[in-house]
Amino acid sequence: DAGVIQSPRHEVTEMGQEVTLRCKPISGHNSLFWYRQTMMRGLELLIYFNNNVPIDDSGMPEDRFSAKMPNASFSTLKIQPSEPRDSAVYFCASSPRSAGGRTGELFFGEGSRLTVL
Amino acid sequence: GENVEQHPSTLSVQEGDSAVIKCTYSDSASNYFPWYKQELGKRPQLIIDIRSNVGEKKDQRIAVTLNKTAKHFSLHITETQPEDSAVYFCAAKGKEGSQGNLIFGKGTKLSVKP
Repeated sequence: DAGVIQSPRHEVTEMGQEVTLRCKPISGHNSLFWYRQTMMRGLELLIYFNNNVPIDDSGMPEDRFSAKMPNASFSTLKIQPSEPRDSAVYFCASSPRSAGGRTGELFFGEGSRLTVL
Repeated sequence: GENVEQHPSTLSVQEGDSAVIKCTYSDSASNYFPWYKQELGKRPQLIIDIRSNVGEKKDQRIAVTLNKTAKHFSLHITETQPEDSAVYFCAAKGKEGSQGNLIFGKGTKLSVKP
């Protein structure tokens, strides 16, 4: 398996533009997470899905942020309109659900580095 | 909700010395505590984890200890090597069976000097 695949790896955009980040989780994993990483705030959970259903989006900073998971192999994180303070590395991660429902390891993608000018 | 504090934020050691990173958590219901290592420009990767039914777990040069009463857990790296240089994150997660999420500490930047 190629692991969690994110695109784009790097995105530079201007304030006000729409940004869409994409993620393909590892096949068979039923949980998907979006994290944002900055120097100041570390790794923050934005939203996570279980079996394609959003479970907790309390980490989504504002209405400008939205996430979807239309099927088990694809998710998007959209920022509209983007602002300079959104500049960060956005990680997608997936996790299996092991027998007995025990917590599985998070497998992170390479991340998408977003710069909003 | 859960809150995870991690110390120190930076740590510098000589090659061959030991390194210890400490984390505290606030939710007594948390019972899964993983540690992730993130090398510069790379993704975080799990290096070791511990569940609340054990007090210590070891994997070669890496060990993690858990004190549920005090609500703190620590990462111990012995015989450090330059390739151990990275940012280390601790995390805590709620009770099994719940869909609670992983809350990460702010990270510790470990530098191992040759």
